[in-house]
Amino acid sequence: DAGVIQSPRHEVTEMGQEVTLRCKPISGHNSLFWYRQTMMRGLELLIYFNNNVPIDDSGMPEDRFSAKMPNASFSTLKIQPSEPRDSAVYFCASSPDSDEQYFGPGTRLTVT
Amino acid sequence: QKEVEQDPGPLSVPEGAIVSLNCTYSNSAFQYFMWYRQYSRKGPELLMYTYSSGNKEDGRFTAQVDKSSKYISLFIRDSQPSDSATYLCAIEGGSTLGRLYFGRGTQLTVWP
Repeated sequence: DAGVIQSPRHEVTEMGQEVTLRCKPISGHNSLFWYRQTMMRGLELLIYFNNNVPIDDSGMPEDRFSAKMPNASFSTLKIQPSEPRDSAVYFCASSPDSDEQYFGPGTRLTVT
Repeated sequence: QKEVEQDPGPLSVPEGAIVSLNCTYSNSAFQYFMWYRQYSRKGPELLMYTYSSGNKEDGRFTAQVDKSSKYISLFIRDSQPSDSATYLCAIEGGSTLGRLYFGRGTQLTVWP
């Protein structure tokens, strides 16, 4: 299996622009997680889907962030409008049984 | 108070040293305890997993859980330069099944 696939791997954008991050989970996994990692705050859970349904979105910072999972093989995390403080590495992870999570390589976002 | 506290280090040791990494947690309802390893510019990967108090050994790695003190540890024996990475503790078992709470991670460097 190819593992969790994320795109793009790097994104540089200007403040105010819309950013869309994409994730393809491992086939057969029924849980999907979006995380944000920064030096200051570490790894933070943004949102958690189970069987394509959002279970916990309490980590989504504000209305500028939204996430969708239209089917079992695809999810997006959108930031609109983006701000410099959104600069971070965004990870997607999937899990077959809500225990071990398999992480993707991450998207390094820089907002100038 | 955060759910999980972890000293971010950094920690620098010579090859062959015994390394001790630690986390404390606040909620006695947590039941599952994990250690993830993250190499530079990669996603975290599961290293050790345990759900009970006591020790679990896997090669040079030992995970220890003390539920009475809400304290978990990871010991690395005969440390190698290839062990240089960030180690994150993760805990599951709160009100949302499947949600992990991560420590900030401890950056470890093992020099030859």
